[in-house]
Amino acid sequence: DAGVIQSPRHEVTEMGQEVTLRCKPISGHNSLFWYRQTMMRGLELLIYFNNNVPIDDSGMPEDRFSAKMPNASFSTLKIQPSEPRDSAVYFCASSTHSGTGEQFFGPGTRLTVL
Amino acid sequence: EDQVTQSPEALRLQEGESSSLNCSYTVSGLRGLFWYRQDPGKGPEFLFTLYSAGEEKEKERLKATLTKKESFLHITAPKPEDSATYLCAVQANSGYALNFGKGTSLLVTP
Repeated sequence: DAGVIQSPRHEVTEMGQEVTLRCKPISGHNSLFWYRQTMMRGLELLIYFNNNVPIDDSGMPEDRFSAKMPNASFSTLKIQPSEPRDSAVYFCASSTHSGTGEQFFGPGTRLTVL
Repeated sequence: EDQVTQSPEALRLQEGESSSLNCSYTVSGLRGLFWYRQDPGKGPEFLFTLYSAGEEKEKERLKATLTKKESFLHITAPKPEDSATYLCAVQANSGYALNFGKGTSLLVTP
């Protein structure tokens, strides 16, 4: 059974450019999470969707970040415009149980903004 | 505010040398405490969920235990393939986010 799928795995872009990260959750999971991992701050939740609806986006750093989930099998995280401080590894995770219980993580997208 | 502190930050063991990793936490109502393993360049891999004090879970050479203030991940007779970063996270009754510690980086040498 396929796990969480993320693309691209690596993204290098220049400051000011738009970046779109993609995620396909595990089939049958009704909750989706976007996390960001940095050396300084560790893993931090950005946004949580339940049944395709954004429930909590309080972790989104600022208006430059936006996320969508148009259907149960696809989500995007967009940064526009990107800045060097956005450089990090971005993980998507999915879960059953409407957000309670264990979450299963994808391989991540390593973003570098020059 | 929920807090998770893991110690030590890094641990080096000889193959076969058993040890324990610590995860201290404060949370307003614990729904669950989670252990994950993360290899370089990969996403966290789920290991265990513990729900209440006194609970224990085992998987191969790993055993996780939980008290009201901390959790331990015991590694018995580790092998080099156990080298990874081990992450602890808590989930509060009031929420769904996993609040992660910074992790313990484990290196097992032959």
